[in-house]
Amino acid sequence: EAQVTQNPRYLITVTGKKLTVTCSQNMNHEYMSWYRQDPGLGLRQIYYSMNVEVTDKGDVPEGYKVSRKEKRNFPLILESPSPNQTSLYFCASSLGGTRGYTFGSGTRLTVV
Amino acid sequence: AQSVTQLDSQVPVFEEAPVELRCNYSSSVSVYLFWYVQYPNQGLQLLLKYLSGSTLVKGINGFEAEFNKSQTSFHLRKPSVHISDTAEYFCAVSEMDSSYKLIFGSGTRLLVRP
Repeated sequence: EAQVTQNPRYLITVTGKKLTVTCSQNMNHEYMSWYRQDPGLGLRQIYYSMNVEVTDKGDVPEGYKVSRKEKRNFPLILESPSPNQTSLYFCASSLGGTRGYTFGSGTRLTVV
Repeated sequence: AQSVTQLDSQVPVFEEAPVELRCNYSSSVSVYLFWYVQYPNQGLQLLLKYLSGSTLVKGINGFEAEFNKSQTSFHLRKPSVHISDTAEYFCAVSEMDSSYKLIFGSGTRLLVRP
């Protein structure tokens, strides 16, 4: 089944403890992206990648890192999480152009 | 830079009534337009998209949307809603030459009552 898989689905962590949210797609998509969803703000793009080793900042990149060493994987790294990064995170992938993004099921992160 | 405005944060409607969810966008170049739906505790699912050509596009689950270039709008409509349409709906836009950058509106929660 064609899909974007994120792990974990739920995560509670403490301020400052490094964490990684994994994202994998099995559709051979070139574009991948991370979004965070907050009430009243919709989805905001954190980082995106246009291909292996090609990444760029979205609208809210502060406090996040990404890497794209393989086409299928696009992990999101929080080196020192803070409470304002408590949010619902979505990974998405796309063939690009007119096709739009396919989204994962989301990761609900709570930083205390 | 492009932006998307969804003026209605919540739209309550009775079952079998028609509904329109409004979306306006701002961009200095040609764009692709999308509507996504998010059911509770799920990811986003593509409802429909406007790329070019006919301004009326049909999507899944009986939804349709009309692109109006002069008003920079892309409103979503359904002639008769069901309880199962209760969800959050997001309008999104991307510029044609940078489709990896998809910008979302703040969302509209559609609440269908019996």
